[in-house]
Amino acid sequence: AQKVTQAQTEISVVEKEDVTLDCVYETRDTTYYLFWYKQPPSGELVFLIRRNSFDEQNEISGRYSWNFQKSTSSFNFTITASQVVDSAVYFCALSEADFTGTASKLTFGTGTRLQVTL
Amino acid sequence: EAGVTQSPTHLIKTRGQQATLRCSPISGHTSVYWYQQALGLGLQFLLWYDEGEERNRGNFPPRFSGRQFPNYSSELNVNALELEDSALYLCASQQGYNEQFFGPGTRLTVL
Repeated sequence: AQKVTQAQTEISVVEKEDVTLDCVYETRDTTYYLFWYKQPPSGELVFLIRRNSFDEQNEISGRYSWNFQKSTSSFNFTITASQVVDSAVYFCALSEADFTGTASKLTFGTGTRLQVTL
Repeated sequence: EAGVTQSPTHLIKTRGQQATLRCSPISGHTSVYWYQQALGLGLQFLLWYDEGEERNRGNFPPRFSGRQFPNYSSELNVNALELEDSALYLCASQQGYNEQFFGPGTRLTVL
């Protein structure tokens, strides 16, 4: 069975601090996909990134960066120079591939609530 | 390009009633997923429809059902509502190998 663990329930930082959100996953599949989503107070889940199991390259997008390490089954997310607008709940998710290799249903972690204050 | 839309935004029902939630995917997306986000239970997978067929369902009782129409929009029906069905119901659409994009959700309250 698949499992995603986000051990940090809530993190509070002051604006401009860097913050890392941890994600550890479990799966028996060799082909799988990892995702991060942001859920602001409005409730809608906003897609941030997808990474497949064969691509361990780290990625940077503006102030966001992701570190994928298969050896430790981790897919951590770092926000550099955090801003108040980054305040939200962040979810890490795992998807196994169906018989066509397509990402299917998502298994979510419990989320990390990030509070950025001035 | 319009995103995933869901209706209604809020729905209030009483125990034992039936609720119908609707979702329109992004144009060109053929897969629709439904998730439940209940307080204390996190985000849980409910149902997956693709090309009009139910492909998978999560660990929910049969009173949770749905369908996908020829235009790929989808309906989630919850029969015999119970208090613990109160939750935010999120719909997501997907095309091929790509990520799922979520709608704003329907908040269902069961009194």
